[in-house]
Formats: sequence, structure tokens, C-alpha cells
Amino acid sequence: DVKVTQSSRYLVKRTGEKVFLECVQDMDHENMFWYRQDPGLGLRLIYFSYDVKMKEKGDIPEGYSVSREKKERFSLILESASTNQTSMYLCASSLLYEKVDEQFFGPGTRLTVL
Amino acid sequence: EDQVTQSPEALRLQEGESSSLNCSYTVSGLRGLFWYRQDPGKGPEFLFTLYSAGEEKEKERLKATLTKKESFLHITAPKPEDSATYLCAVQEGSGYALNFGKGTSLLVTP
Repeated sequence: DVKVTQSSRYLVKRTGEKVFLECVQDMDHENMFWYRQDPGLGLRLIYFSYDVKMKEKGDIPEGYSVSREKKERFSLILESASTNQTSMYLCASSLLYEKVDEQFFGPGTRLTVL
Repeated sequence: EDQVTQSPEALRLQEGESSSLNCSYTVSGLRGLFWYRQDPGKGPEFLFTLYSAGEEKEKERLKATLTKKESFLHITAPKPEDSATYLCAVQEGSGYALNFGKGTSLLVTP
């Protein structure tokens, strides 16, 4: 079974702090994704990566950056956290770009920015 | 304009009362349509992938179907443990990412 793990289930940070959310997958997947999920807005794509050191902006990249130094690990960085970044953050991975493939999700990190 | 629209937003069923959830989409060049189940406070759990109109897939009490404009998730004789939010997502063209609908929140009461 594919396993996607996220570093924290719950996180509380203060406005202006730099925040790191980490995601690790154990199935040698090429693609990794970061989404945020908010009531009434659904899941929205922040960034994705289709290879090590490669990244593409999603629908809402402002205020975020990402890092993928190793194939299995994809980090989301909030450079200066703001209260409107309070949300549930979900990481996902999928196998190959060329293939229409389901994405497997981690358990999520609920981030609160005070 | 939303590319993926799910209806209803919320649905309450009695145990054993069958029904269907709808997912309509307006993308061009559909590569795949996905159904996920999400329990409160957890990440989405993959259920089905559908690739072309006319395709159907089943898993226990769930059956997903696909036409050129919409997909249905049929729930036959649901049980309380089927209570969850059901998400539909599409992958189009040459894109990597999934475009999600806002989900249908299903509550099945005993």
C-alpha cells in the first residue's frame, strides 16, 4: 500500500513565522502535490513537483514556496505565515506524468496561524 | 466558473435508502475522473478512476458511472459507515493536477 505521511497533524504558529510542512511518500512516485482545503472552497492546488528539484505553481501559490531535494520528500514553506493561511494542508503523490494516475493523500496537517 | 460541480452539497439518507451523487464537469479533453471519500479530519481516500464515457466501476455498495458531461456515484443500501464527504476530481489535457469539486457530504442514519 502507498503510504504518504505528513510531519504534523496539528500545528499552531504565530503571524510572521516561517513554517515548514513536510511530506514523505514511500512508493517511489514521480509526482507530488500540495493542496489546501477550506470549507466552501474545496481542495485547491498550491504547488506540485514532477521530479526532483522540479516544481510548478498551482492555482494559489502566493505566500508559499516548495522544496524537493529528494524524490520521496516534498516540503511546503510558508515564508511569513499569515492568518489567512490557517487551513488544512494535504500532500499527495502519484506515479508517473505519462499515466493518468490516482493521487494518494496523506492524513493532512491542520495549521492555525494566530 | 467551476469546472467541476457536485450536487447535492449535502444528503441525508436512512440506512438502506439508495441514492446517487452527481458530478458534472466542463473540461475539454478529459483524461480521467476520480472519486474519493473523505472522513472528517482525514485525507481523501481513493475510490475509483473512470476514463471514458460508458465506463462503470463498483466497490461494495458503491458504483461509479461516467458520461460525456457527468459522473454518478450510486450508493446501494447504504450503511451508517458510508457517512463521509465524497469528492469528485477531473484530470484534463496534459495536466498533472486534479481539479476537485466541493464535495457532497453524506449522512446515513440508522
